[in-house]
Amino acid sequence: EVQLVESGGGLVQPGGSLRLSCAASGFPFSNYGMNWVRQAPGKGPQWLSYISSGSSATHYADSVKGRFTISRDNARSALFLQMNSLRAEDTAVYYCARASPNGYDYWGQGTLVTVSS
Amino acid sequence: EIVMTQSPATLSVSPGERATLSCRASQSVGSNLAWYLQRPGQAPRLLIYGASTRATGIPARFSGSGSGTEFTLTISSLQSEDFAVYYCHQYNNWPLWTFGQGTKVEVK
Repeated sequence: EVQLVESGGGLVQPGGSLRLSCAASGFPFSNYGMNWVRQAPGKGPQWLSYISSGSSATHYADSVKGRFTISRDNARSALFLQMNSLRAEDTAVYYCARASPNGYDYWGQGTLVTVSS
Repeated sequence: EIVMTQSPATLSVSPGERATLSCRASQSVGSNLAWYLQRPGQAPRLLIYGASTRATGIPARFSGSGSGTEFTLTISSLQSEDFAVYYCHQYNNWPLWTFGQGTKVEVK
């Protein structure tokens, strides 16, 4: 069974940093590109970042470019998102999601990030 | 960026009745369109991909249609577990895949 489990969310002040993790199991993690997607309260999901299976390619949404960094450790089947210079508008539930030729076929349960003073 | 627009924002339907949800793309996405269901406190779940193909384990009461810029999700006979929020999602413009703002299906 495919499982994606996020962790690392919490309350942080504006300008602060957080590092999210996603532990993957049940599939050959090193064969798949992975994504971070977030969902603000009452809004639709928003793609944030993608990393290729071997980490050779990364992409970011304009809203997080230069502030967030995606990485992965295939030996540990883990995905990460380093978030710096956090803003109030970054408040959301953050999901890791597996990319397939047909969209995001598996999602984690999400971790809540709240940016507030 | 391809903008996805869903209508209506809220759909009030009685259990057992049919529900029809619409999604429009700001430019053609071919058949690279998926639908997701999201229940409160849960992650989105893939229902339909390729505009009309049901994902693994999805009941036959869910069907999708359309291509290009106009898409429809139909739920033939609403069950209690179907009352949720539905999102359409285009995966034609990689990696900038985008979602609609959602349609909430509520009990009438």
